[in-house]
Amino acid sequence: KNEVEQSPQNLTAQEGEFITINCSYSVGISALHWLQQHPGGGIVSLFMLSSGKKKHGRLIATINIQEKHSSLHITASHPRDSAVYICAVKKATDKLIFGTGTRLQVFP
Amino acid sequence: AAGVIQSPRHLIKEKRETATLKCYPIPRHDTVYWYQQGPGQDPQFLISFYEKMQSDKGSIPDRFSAQQFSDYHSELNMSSLELGDSALYFCASSLYSGTDTQYFGPGTRLTVL
Repeated sequence: KNEVEQSPQNLTAQEGEFITINCSYSVGISALHWLQQHPGGGIVSLFMLSSGKKKHGRLIATINIQEKHSSLHITASHPRDSAVYICAVKKATDKLIFGTGTRLQVFP
Repeated sequence: AAGVIQSPRHLIKEKRETATLKCYPIPRHDTVYWYQQGPGQDPQFLISFYEKMQSDKGSIPDRFSAQQFSDYHSELNMSSLELGDSALYFCASSLYSGTDTQYFGPGTRLTVL
């Protein structure tokens, strides 16, 4: 079983829809990252969370440390949001353990 | 703002050849991480450096070595390349170990023929 599990693996949405991607992890962590990877391969860090909630534009990330669960929400989704969204956790050492990613496609 | 720079962006090598990948962290960042992402795979941690010393090691083959230099840039040296080494190699940097987000470079796509 992977230490970091994401759901769903694939997600399609119509422009304007509210989107939620979930991440569950089974290990103790010091922080959790939400990353975005576009088809060209580049990775962009969206959020780093250790507790609570963060918001940036149309993106919201929450984490529940007790339940070992985090969610990434996208409000008013747009085709340019189409990408792979990756949850990655940081354990006591600094390396990241990556989830399997959620492939999001938003159609106009 | 300056980002993490990786060079080259693309590299094609033959089996058994050697490759060197370079990573230039964001200015003032002193920690560098290397990740390998095979086709259709999750990124996997290879190795990290803090203040020029190796800080953690993951699933890095013995054929690979890496170091961080006095200007904090890092190089990943890969010898006796195999077809399975074909992957996207990411470098990430952070300000100091443990407390800052990691900023990723654009990656180097290595193809071994």
